[in-house]
Amino acid sequence: EAQVTQNPRYLITVTGKKLTVTCSQNMNHEYMSWYRQDPGLGLRQIYYSMNVEVTDKGDVPEGYKVSRKEKRNFPLILESPSPNQTSLYFCASSPGRALYNEQFFGPGTRLTVL
Amino acid sequence: ILNVEQSPQSLHVQEGDSTNFTCSFPSSNFYALHWYRWETAKSPEALFVMTLNGDEKKKGRISATLNTKEGYSYLYIKGSQPEDSATYLCAPWGYGGSQGNLIFGKGTKLSVKP
Repeated sequence: EAQVTQNPRYLITVTGKKLTVTCSQNMNHEYMSWYRQDPGLGLRQIYYSMNVEVTDKGDVPEGYKVSRKEKRNFPLILESPSPNQTSLYFCASSPGRALYNEQFFGPGTRLTVL
Repeated sequence: ILNVEQSPQSLHVQEGDSTNFTCSFPSSNFYALHWYRWETAKSPEALFVMTLNGDEKKKGRISATLNTKEGYSYLYIKGSQPEDSATYLCAPWGYGGSQGNLIFGKGTKLSVKP
């Protein structure tokens, strides 16, 4: 089944404890992206990648890192999480290197930072 | 940062009503417009990606039109059903600070009463 998977789906952690949220797609998509969703603010793009080894900042990149060492995986790294990073996170992928095609979203990761 | 306006913010209709809502965006530097449907507790799902001025797309009872010269898109739902209850998001592409940046509006939340 063609899909985008994220792990973990739920995570409660403490301030300063490094964590990684994994994202993997099995559709051979070039484009991958991370979003966070906060009440009243909508979906905001954190980072995106248009190809392997190519990443770029979205609108809210502060406090996050990403890497794209292989096509299928695009992990989101929080080196020192803070409470303002408590949010619902979505990974998405899209065929092609541009956004002329629809994105496919993962199931989401709900993160709470205490 | 680009301002994407969606109106109304929320809408309550009766089953069988037809409805429409608007996505407004700057008319310069436009490449494509994405529409997504987002049901509570699920992930956003793509409805349409539109690129050309005057484009019209249809999927079942849902259709969309695009006016890139004046910077707006309409989404129409004919004969709303309770299963249409969701938040509808638009995201114009082409304005972000970098090539792969996608900026979402805050959405129109539709509730359809049986």
